[in-house]
Amino acid sequence: EVQLLESGGGLVQPGGSLRLSCAASGFTFSSYAMSWVRQAPGKGLEWVSVISGSGGSTYYADSVKGRFTISRDNSKNTLYLQMNSLRAEDTAIYYCAKEITFGGIIVITLDYWGQGTLVTVSS
Amino acid sequence: QSALTQPASVSGSPGQSITISCTGTSSDVGAYNYVSWYQQHPGKAPKLMISDVSNRPSGVSNRFSGSKSGNTASLTISGLQAEDEADYYCSSYTSSNTLGGVFGGGTKLTVL
Repeated sequence: EVQLLESGGGLVQPGGSLRLSCAASGFTFSSYAMSWVRQAPGKGLEWVSVISGSGGSTYYADSVKGRFTISRDNSKNTLYLQMNSLRAEDTAIYYCAKEITFGGIIVITLDYWGQGTLVTVSS
Repeated sequence: QSALTQPASVSGSPGQSITISCTGTSSDVGAYNYVSWYQQHPGKAPKLMISDVSNRPSGVSNRFSGSKSGNTASLTISGLQAEDEADYYCSSYTSSNTLGGVFGGGTKLTVL
């Protein structure tokens, strides 16, 4: 059974940093690209970032480019999102999600999602 | 990456059919067949309902179907049931500005 468990969310001041983790199990982690998607309170879904299965390719939404860094440790089956220079508009539930396509190909079609971790940016 | 355009809300009675549209551009919906649809109930994580424009993942009811014409994709739900009441989001792979994904603003489906 595929499981994705996010952690690391919490309250942080504007300008601060936070690192989210997503522990994966139930599938061959290194064979699949992984994405982060966020949802502000009462709002819609926003794609944030994706990383290929090998970790060699990464892409970001314009809204987080230069501030967020996606990475993965395939030996630990764990996905990360390092968030720097946080702003109030980054407040959201952050979901990690698995790509549907085997082989690490990026198509942004997400077949399994975690339950999310809440990040609140406020003074 | 501009969000794809969806109606804010749709409604239908049990047993009826509804269609939700999702309009993008020639850099996303019109360019790729990587259009997917997600269902989200309140307080829950999204669930993949349709991939690659019209493919249903295992376990998804055949009452759900997808299609695409030009820059617009559509999700049709037939034989509406009370449990279909949820938010629905379309998504597409995009090559606008940079490679990645883009979601629609979401559509609230109300089963009357």
